Amino acid sequence: QKEVEQNSGPLSVPEGAIASLNCTYSDRGSQSFFWYRQYSGKSPELIMFIYSNGDKEDGRFTAQLNKASQYVSLLIRDSQPSDSATYLCAVHNDMRFGAGTRLTVKP
Amino acid sequence: DTAVSQTPKYLVTQMGNDKSIKCEQNLGHDTMYWYKQDSKKFLKIMFSYNNKELIINETVPNRFSPKSPDKAHLNLHINSLELGDSAVYFCASSQEGSGANVLTFGAGSRLTVL
Repeated sequence: QKEVEQNSGPLSVPEGAIASLNCTYSDRGSQSFFWYRQYSGKSPELIMFIYSNGDKEDGRFTAQLNKASQYVSLLIRDSQPSDSATYLCAVHNDMRFGAGTRLTVKP
Repeated sequence: DTAVSQTPKYLVTQMGNDKSIKCEQNLGHDTMYWYKQDSKKFLKIMFSYNNKELIINETVPNRFSPKSPDKAHLNLHINSLELGDSAVYFCASSQEGSGANVLTFGAGSRLTVL
């Protein structure tokens, strides 16, 4: 059974802090890794994807991938209250999602 | 224009009934998906079609039957509805071979079974 696991949360950080979200996966053949954000009552929306080992930065967001450890993470710098949402890790080849981590950023 | 549209947005029905949810995408994508999100917010893949061909068929009851008349449409029919079928059902699409297979989601269809 292919699995995608996320740190259980919920996660609460103060405004301006760094939020760290983690995800592990079981299928070594996985090629692409995605982070989606889902606000309450809304559909998931893509934050960023990564498929090479190392870091990928986009604004305040940094995705980190370590295929040897089967680990992918998302760092949110200078967290804002508007970042409060559930963050979902997804793994291709079969677009399977983790259970999500609920993040709250407190003003 | 809405990229991935689902209808209906809300559906309330009695146990034992049969219902359908429709999905259409105007992005020209060749792959479409159905996901179920339960009350704990876990987003579980159910089915995936690529150019009308079923490519992912997770372990779901055979009361659920997807149908893809063309690559822009993927409908979900549910027979003999049960209380546990209550959830939000998301349709999504992506383009295979685009390098990233980013999913574009519909707004969701909230199904409540009484």
